[in-house]
Amino acid sequence: AQRVTQPEKLLSVFKGAPVELKCNYSYSGSPELFWYVQYSRQRLQLLLRHISRESIKGFTADLNKGETSFHLKKPFAQEEDSAMYYCALKPGAQKLVFGQGTRLTINP
Amino acid sequence: EAGVAQSPRYKIIEKRQSVAFWCNPISGHATLYWYQQILGQGPKLLIQFQNNGVVDDSQLPKDRFSAERLKGVDSTLKIQPAKLEDSAVYLCASSLNRRLSTDTQYFGPGTRLTVL
Repeated sequence: AQRVTQPEKLLSVFKGAPVELKCNYSYSGSPELFWYVQYSRQRLQLLLRHISRESIKGFTADLNKGETSFHLKKPFAQEEDSAMYYCALKPGAQKLVFGQGTRLTINP
Repeated sequence: EAGVAQSPRYKIIEKRQSVAFWCNPISGHATLYWYQQILGQGPKLLIQFQNNGVVDDSQLPKDRFSAERLKGVDSTLKIQPAKLEDSAVYLCASSLNRRLSTDTQYFGPGTRLTVL
């Protein structure tokens, strides 16, 4: 069964500190993985996808097939990064399977 | 471009009543999705349309939920009769074409349903 696990429901770090949001997945095939973000009073939106191998708003995520992980990282957190973050797996044909989400709070 | 539109934004009903949600996707988007997001959980796909055909409705509780996408544009999701556990945010999303490897889903603001 396809499953996405985000072990931390809440994560709080200070401004300027590094951030790592954890994501582990369960899928027997070749995965496509995404990070979605929802800022306060805004819509859920795509942050980044692993196939793009890009950095968005300073965030990066590396797919580790051996550890079945897709952790989201940023070296220096900013207050505007406070939001709800969802890791998602696409097992096929555009069906997204979401994790439970991690609420990130950046303290000033 | 205009984003995905949903209405109503909020709805409060009593159990056993019926309710309907409406979604207008981004113009030109062939694929439309309905998700259910229960408090504290991530969105869960209920049904996926490609134009006006159903691609995946494996997680739709068909005894009480129904959805249609007439003419391949707007869509409605209905619950009849509602149960307490249906309280959730119902999200609509659309994408240009699910078959594209770089396809991106764009989400609407959601409808928050409370069943009393």
